[in-house]
Amino acid sequence: DAKTTQPPSMDCAEGRAANLPCNHSTISGNEYVYWYRQIHSQGPQYIIHGLKNNETNEMASLIITEDRKSSTLILPHATLRDTAVYYCIVRVAGGNNRLAFGKGNQVVVIP
Amino acid sequence: DTEVTQTPKHLVMGMTNKKSLKCEQHMGHRAMYWYKQKAKKPPELMFVYSYEKLSINESVPSRFSPECPNSSLLNLHLHALQPEDSALYLCASSGSAGGTNTGELFFGEGSRLTVL
Repeated sequence: DAKTTQPPSMDCAEGRAANLPCNHSTISGNEYVYWYRQIHSQGPQYIIHGLKNNETNEMASLIITEDRKSSTLILPHATLRDTAVYYCIVRVAGGNNRLAFGKGNQVVVIP
Repeated sequence: DTEVTQTPKHLVMGMTNKKSLKCEQHMGHRAMYWYKQKAKKPPELMFVYSYEKLSINESVPSRFSPECPNSSLLNLHLHALQPEDSALYLCASSGSAGGTNTGELFFGEGSRLTVL
């Protein structure tokens, strides 16, 4: 699986949009971009994934650049409950491949 | 039901004890996973079961012994552990038997293990 690079930490203002970047310059054509988050002392939670088109669900939006070498997860209106470690992962969808977590981005939403 | 249930939530054991962690899901998923997470570190994959057969073992020491009795259950048997094995153990599942497998993993809340 391709490696990803995320900032180790960032702060976001409550009520504002939070833009979380991820670089994955070695991504292969059949690899998807997945985002998970882990709130303190809980299990990781799936957020969203995409291949090349932008995706949106009730939790977030995923913007993938045209060359697919980077992506941005957007939390439209950050709340204090969004404080978590966010993981950007690239892997082949389907099958039962290993899902490998990188170091993630510790996001703190500030009142 | 979109839950993965892990028991116990907390476990304290001595280095000579034998104990087990249990994981259950009723989403019809055919793949189940064990991860280990140390404090302030990302989860690390230990084992993957696919259709009740062990498909991935990430060179985990034999003192950890996984078992998949059926498609809904996953156990992790623990024996002769070391204090450095103290961690949060996470179970996850993915994949539907008859539907589209989009690769999402559903995680339980974990079992926090302390080895004395």
